[in-house]
Amino acid sequence: KAGVTQTPRYLIKTRGQQVTLSCSPISGHRSVSWYQQTPGQGLQFLFEYFSETQRNKGNFPGRFSGRQFSNSRSEMNVSTLELGDSALYLCASSLGQKNIQYFGAGTRLSVL
Amino acid sequence: GEDVEQSLFLSVREGDSSVINCTYTDSSSTYLYWYKQEPGAGLQLLTYIFSNMDMKQDQRLTVLLNKKDKHLSLRIADTQTGDSAIYFCAETSFQKLVFGTGTRLLVSP
Repeated sequence: KAGVTQTPRYLIKTRGQQVTLSCSPISGHRSVSWYQQTPGQGLQFLFEYFSETQRNKGNFPGRFSGRQFSNSRSEMNVSTLELGDSALYLCASSLGQKNIQYFGAGTRLSVL
Repeated sequence: GEDVEQSLFLSVREGDSSVINCTYTDSSSTYLYWYKQEPGAGLQLLTYIFSNMDMKQDQRLTVLLNKKDKHLSLRIADTQTGDSAIYFCAETSFQKLVFGTGTRLLVSP
């Protein structure tokens, strides 16, 4: 069974641009969560989707958004990039809300 | 509030046991997790324990949960150089994972 797949693995953008990251969950998993990892703030929760609905959101500005498609694949978008958005973005999938979360390899975003 | 605490660093010799400790805050957590992160990689689920259990053993890994003190530990028996990584504990809180700062485990030959 394939694991959680995140694309692309690496991205380099400049300030002010926008970026879209993609996550394909484990087959059969309907919940997708996103996390940001930085050296200063550690691992922080961005948002969680289940059946195309955002159920939970972390404390991030509105520049961070996401969506989930009918096949459970998810995308997150960051608009008007800032230097501080440089981070490893991790996606996790699970069967449902109270189930074990499995992570992908992440997308490393560098903002110059 | 949400605050999961871990010590930052642990150094052991190959073949010794390693014990990584964690304290958490949310007593309603359904699961408590241990994840491993190697350089440049994502988070690998090592093991987890359901909140109504006290102990879970999985090959070289033993997880102990003390709900009264909100203390979680991970013991790695016969630690190998390949176990060198950062280990994160995490609690479930309001449908999301809250992670500790991570413990960097260094295993020397």
